[in-house]
Amino acid sequence: IAGITQAPTSQILAAGRRMTLRCTQDMRHNAMYWYRQDLGLGLRLIHYSNTAGTTGKGEVPDGYSVSRANTDDFPLTLASAVPSQTSVYFCASSGGGIRGYTFGSGTRLTVV
Amino acid sequence: GEDVEQSLFLSVREGDSSVINCTYTDSSSTYLYWYKQEPGAGLQLLTYIFSNMDMKQDQRLTVLLNKKDKHLSLRIADTQTGDSAIYFCAEKEDAGNMLTFGGGTRLMVKP
Repeated sequence: IAGITQAPTSQILAAGRRMTLRCTQDMRHNAMYWYRQDLGLGLRLIHYSNTAGTTGKGEVPDGYSVSRANTDDFPLTLASAVPSQTSVYFCASSGGGIRGYTFGSGTRLTVV
Repeated sequence: GEDVEQSLFLSVREGDSSVINCTYTDSSSTYLYWYKQEPGAGLQLLTYIFSNMDMKQDQRLTVLLNKKDKHLSLRIADTQTGDSAIYFCAEKEDAGNMLTFGGGTRLMVKP
């Protein structure tokens, strides 16, 4: 089934540890995005990539990094996790046009 | 920059109509979207409307767009308990693929 796969589904992480959230899509979409969702704050864009080899900063990029080595994969790395990064993280992709975004199922991350 | 606003919460009784409202600021929006997020899941596209349309109907869903007032609404007829979810509106600017999302409206349907 075409779509976006995120891994892991959930994770409990000790503060200070490094963590990479994985995101893979099989739709050959050029653009990919990482959002965090927090109660009362809606979706906030962390980083995005308009095409393989390019990335850009969103609204809340601090403490996060991304890479886009190929079209399919867009990993999000927390170099040294802090409790304020406890959130649900969603990866999304877009092939342009009218269809908007396709979202993954999310990764629930708890930093303790 | 662009801003998209939604009320946080709506409660309706099963069988009633629900109306979820959204306002946006970007006059160059080309498409406007409604997404549904069920508990523990990602967002799924419900419907979209092109900015030169006033209304779009899709089964129980009716989208109304007032471009002059930059107001978008989603009406769900005969609301069911399975419609309980968070609904996000989003707008797409004229250039590029980026969507700007509202904060989401949590719809609770009481039996």
